[in-house]
Amino acid sequence: GENVEQHPSTLSVQEGDSAVIKCTYSDSASNYFPWYKQELGKRPQLIIDIRSNVGEKKDQRIAVTLNKTAKHFSLHITETQPEDSAVYFCAAHFGNEKLTFGTGTRLTIIP
Amino acid sequence: DVKVTQSSRYLVKRTGEKVFLECVQDMDHENMFWYRQDPGLGLRLIYFSYDVKMKEKGDIPEGYSVSREKKERFSLILESASTNQTSMYLCALEGANYGYTFGSGTRLTVV
Repeated sequence: GENVEQHPSTLSVQEGDSAVIKCTYSDSASNYFPWYKQELGKRPQLIIDIRSNVGEKKDQRIAVTLNKTAKHFSLHITETQPEDSAVYFCAAHFGNEKLTFGTGTRLTIIP
Repeated sequence: DVKVTQSSRYLVKRTGEKVFLECVQDMDHENMFWYRQDPGLGLRLIYFSYDVKMKEKGDIPEGYSVSREKKERFSLILESASTNQTSMYLCALEGANYGYTFGSGTRLTVV
């Protein structure tokens, strides 16, 4: 079945440094790749997404890259700040109309 | 803004009880989903629905059922609650461009 693998499961970075989270997916027909951020005690919220016809997308300090050939996509956060501390989930949209999520990355920003 | 409302933030139920978790949307979207979230396991799909009276099993449907009598309401039912169903339950609504909006979650404890 569909599978999304996410690494690392935990990540600690110094404030101001960059953080990168990587995901791989199994179905080459996947066409939509969102990233969700879940702060402690809150619901997951969409922070950025990318579609299969685009290789990179940026929104201020966050960016997502997609490599369709290798079937992987990554979230990049630059100039990290304490409010970036959260759990991040990647997901991939497969042809059967539902998202499959990665297992999450707990990002901790060290002041 | 899209609103997805879960009726309870916290619930404590006894083993063997029948439990209803409610999710209501304020849009006219078809696709709704129930996930459970456990540490280290990410978001796992229990059931989803594409329209009124339609339901599909997700990855972990055992011990659960669902009801979708009206488009705006998608209910998750634990027929006979067990302690291994203690978890955070998240409802999600798929928007026009595949993105999901999540409810605020119900933390269920079965004692």
